[in-house]
Amino acid sequence: ETGVTQTPRHLVMGMTNKKSLKCEQHLGHNAMYWYKQSAKKPLELMFVYNFKEQTENNSVPSRFSPECPNSSHLFLHLHTLQPEDSALYLCASSQALGGSNQPQHFGDGTRLSIL
Amino acid sequence: AQSVTQLDSQVPVFEEAPVELRCNYSSSVSVYLFWYVQYPNQGLQLLLKYLSGSTLVKGINGFEAEFNKSQTSFHLRKPSVHISDTAEYFCAVSGALGGKLIFGQGTELSVKP
Repeated sequence: ETGVTQTPRHLVMGMTNKKSLKCEQHLGHNAMYWYKQSAKKPLELMFVYNFKEQTENNSVPSRFSPECPNSSHLFLHLHTLQPEDSALYLCASSQALGGSNQPQHFGDGTRLSIL
Repeated sequence: AQSVTQLDSQVPVFEEAPVELRCNYSSSVSVYLFWYVQYPNQGLQLLLKYLSGSTLVKGINGFEAEFNKSQTSFHLRKPSVHISDTAEYFCAVSGALGGKLIFGQGTELSVKP
C-alpha cells in the first residue's frame, strides 16, 4: 500500500483537451514532486514544491501547469498536449527539501496517452 | 553536482541464481545513495539506502548493496532471485549537503524459470 495516491491511473486525451492529474499524500510530508517517465529514458524531474511553494521548474513547457494548494495535494493541469507527452507521470513526496537523506515516496503514476 | 550510471540496461538471470546490478556515481561531495524498484504498472518503491556507517546495507526482499567510496560504486546484490523480482531497478544519489535526487537510467531485471 502506498501513502501517495494518484488519480486517474490511466488517461487518454486528445491534443485539444484539458485535464488534470491529482496526487495526494498521507505521510505528513512537506515536499512534493512531479516526474515524467518515458519508455527507455531516465526519470525526468519536472516540478518541485516545498511547503506549497514551487522551488524548481525544470524547463517544463507551459502546457503543463502545476498547482499545490497545500502540502498534501499536488495537481498537474494539462492543456494542448503533444503526442510526445505520452508517458507515465509519477508523483512523489518527502519530508522536506534540504533533508537530502530523506527518501522519496512514490505514487503508482498516471499513464497518459495523447491521441 | 552528482550523476549516476547504471552499467547494464537489461540483466536476464535464471531463478535461484545470484544477481548483481551495477551502479556507479560521481560527486564532488559526500553522498547519500538509494536503490528503488519499480514493478510493472506501479511507482518506485525504496529497496534500501546508504546514509552513513556500515558500507553494507541490507534492504527489503533479501537485497543488499555495498557502498565503495574508492570505486564510487553502490552495486545491488541478491544471492538467489525469484520470479517475483522481475522489475526495473533504479539507483539514485543525492548530495549530503542538500540538493535533488538524481536517478540512473534503470536496469531491467528479468528472472526466468
